[in-house]
Amino acid sequence: SQTIHQWPATLVQPVGSPLSLECTVEGTSNPNLYWYRQAAGRGLQLLFYSVGIGQISSEVPQNLSASRPQDRQFILSSKKLLLSDSGFYLCAWCLGDVSYNEQFFGPGTRLTVL
Amino acid sequence: QKEVEQNSGPLSVPEGAIASLNCTYSDRVSQSFFWYRQYSGKSPELIMSIYSNGDKEDGRFTAQLNKASQYVSLLIRDSQPSDSATYLCAVTRLTKIIFGSGTRLSIRP
Repeated sequence: SQTIHQWPATLVQPVGSPLSLECTVEGTSNPNLYWYRQAAGRGLQLLFYSVGIGQISSEVPQNLSASRPQDRQFILSSKKLLLSDSGFYLCAWCLGDVSYNEQFFGPGTRLTVL
Repeated sequence: QKEVEQNSGPLSVPEGAIASLNCTYSDRVSQSFFWYRQYSGKSPELIMSIYSNGDKEDGRFTAQLNKASQYVSLLIRDSQPSDSATYLCAVTRLTKIIFGSGTRLSIRP
């Protein structure tokens, strides 16, 4: 069965510091991968998605970036964090097009920027 | 107009009753529809998916879809305290899923 991991689970970082969040999926090949952010009391905002190694689509222009160095690995990064980057970061995977397939979430990383 | 709209709640339902959660969406070409449950501090968990008009039942959960009215709903029968959570409606748009802001459901004993 498929499993999705995210780490770290929680993170407290000062403004202006770098960020690296990692997501890995087990038990499947060539998944579509997604990064979402959920601000406190808000809905899910799609940040990036990837349909393959090295293929990244950005949804929201901001100080974040994403990379997919391996088939089942998705990384979210920032060179300098802003206060507004605080939130619950969720990685998700889907086998194929979301139009006809279900999407599943990892456990998430809670980021607080001080 | 938001792409996916839900009443934020809280919706308070007595234990054992039917909870009815509603969602409307704006994109007529949306193909797939999902309901996720999110407990406080946890990630969303998929509980139902529906792709065609009508009802789809899975245990105590029934999803209802009406594409003509651009409306999708989730019914929870025999509500339990463990059903207390935020329920997110999600709708596909092209290659992405768009989420509503969620309805907070509270089951009172």
